[in-house]
Amino acid sequence: NAGVTQTPKFQVLKTGQSMTLQCAQDMNHNSMYWYRQDPGMGLRLIYYSASEGTTDKGEVPNGYNVSRLNKREFSLRLESAAPSQTSVYFCASSDQLAMGEQFFGPGTRLTVL
Amino acid sequence: QQQVKQSPQSLIVQKGGISIINCAYENTAFDYFPWYQQFPGKGPALLIAIRPDVSEKKEGRFTISFNKSAKQFSLHIMDSQPGDSATYFCAARSNQAGTALIFGKGTTLSVSS
Repeated sequence: NAGVTQTPKFQVLKTGQSMTLQCAQDMNHNSMYWYRQDPGMGLRLIYYSASEGTTDKGEVPNGYNVSRLNKREFSLRLESAAPSQTSVYFCASSDQLAMGEQFFGPGTRLTVL
Repeated sequence: QQQVKQSPQSLIVQKGGISIINCAYENTAFDYFPWYQQFPGKGPALLIAIRPDVSEKKEGRFTISFNKSAKQFSLHIMDSQPGDSATYFCAARSNQAGTALIFGKGTTLSVSS
């Protein structure tokens, strides 16, 4: 049981490049989330998916898109990366939206030059 | 805007001492208050959680105290150990359908030996 997995672990991009962060969970959870973590800013919600087929904006959605590919996978795309998107990105999942425990992945450290 | 205000931003406690982290909220629709613990290089993990129908919940050395009238809740770590050194996040969930957890900005705890 791997829990929540994220790829890649590290990534360096140049301004304007695009990339997709991948997330998968094997706990049969309905809800999935993408957060970014910056020093002094805590965990800020980018997008979430309450259930397969639905996605909603969180606190800081600008510059990002998401796809809930199936129940297991939830990807985050940066279409044109900017230095302000340098951050650590965490994917999480839970059985129901905001109920019970949210399980977090190990994170992706992204640097945009 | 829904917010959870967490303090202090950082905390240094001697081994064996009591660590106290405070959170305050405004939204009376919040009905679930978890605390997450994050070690460096890892994703956050659920530590302990409380619902507003109780004033205190204890799990080992960790206790949540909840004051519904003051809209405040706090985490107490008794007999703090160097292994407790981590970042702690409080969070809150609204009972309004379709909303995700709101996290505080985090407190970095260092327990000196």
